[in-house]
Amino acid sequence: DQQVKQNSPSLSVQEGRISILNCDYTNSMFDYFLWYKKYPAEGPTFLISISSIKDKNEDGRFTVFLNKSAKHLSLHIVPSQPGDSAVYFCAAGAGSYQLTFGKGTKLSVIP
Amino acid sequence: GAVVSQHPSRVICKSGTSVKIECRSLDFQATTMFWYRQFPKKSLMLMATSNEGSKATYEQGVEKDKFLINHASLTLSTLTVTSAHPEDSSFYICSAHSRDFNEQFFGPGTRLTVL
Repeated sequence: DQQVKQNSPSLSVQEGRISILNCDYTNSMFDYFLWYKKYPAEGPTFLISISSIKDKNEDGRFTVFLNKSAKHLSLHIVPSQPGDSAVYFCAAGAGSYQLTFGKGTKLSVIP
Repeated sequence: GAVVSQHPSRVICKSGTSVKIECRSLDFQATTMFWYRQFPKKSLMLMATSNEGSKATYEQGVEKDKFLINHASLTLSTLTVTSAHPEDSSFYICSAHSRDFNEQFFGPGTRLTVL
């Protein structure tokens, strides 16, 4: 049973527009969520996180929104840049340890 | 879809002992595997990149003599925490890069507690 789901395997967005990556989860015990970005042949790098006590966290062009009642979070990238093209992983954690990852969404930003 | 397993999922050991963690790609060949460590409520820290048949490449600040990595086959990489200490207690995650799918798949992680 997949506890963290990223239902869109890929997404294409025009440069300058908003990219919205979605993630759904089923485990109500998750109390923090993270987004990772990964380029081909490299390990993922941490992007942004949010605690379950918040509904929004912003860092530059990146904003993560959390809707606990819907068990849904999203990552907004505004404006999108070609360098943002990568695979984005959503991850969720409960307690201090153990992350559960989604399968990733490949974002392509078209110049 | 591609599956990566880790064994054990949870281990408790005494200080001074060594612990081996296995990472296996179950239905694909992984030429590259990555080992990560996660600190409480923090992001993943890449420890090392492991290529099949060659020595692992360690990130700065990671002791290669303490964290021994062996990638003996295209489906198995092992991480051995030698002479473990309580500060080594953490969550260790591996991932495997699939050439066929050209993407990376994460294992479920191993929780290590050193008493």
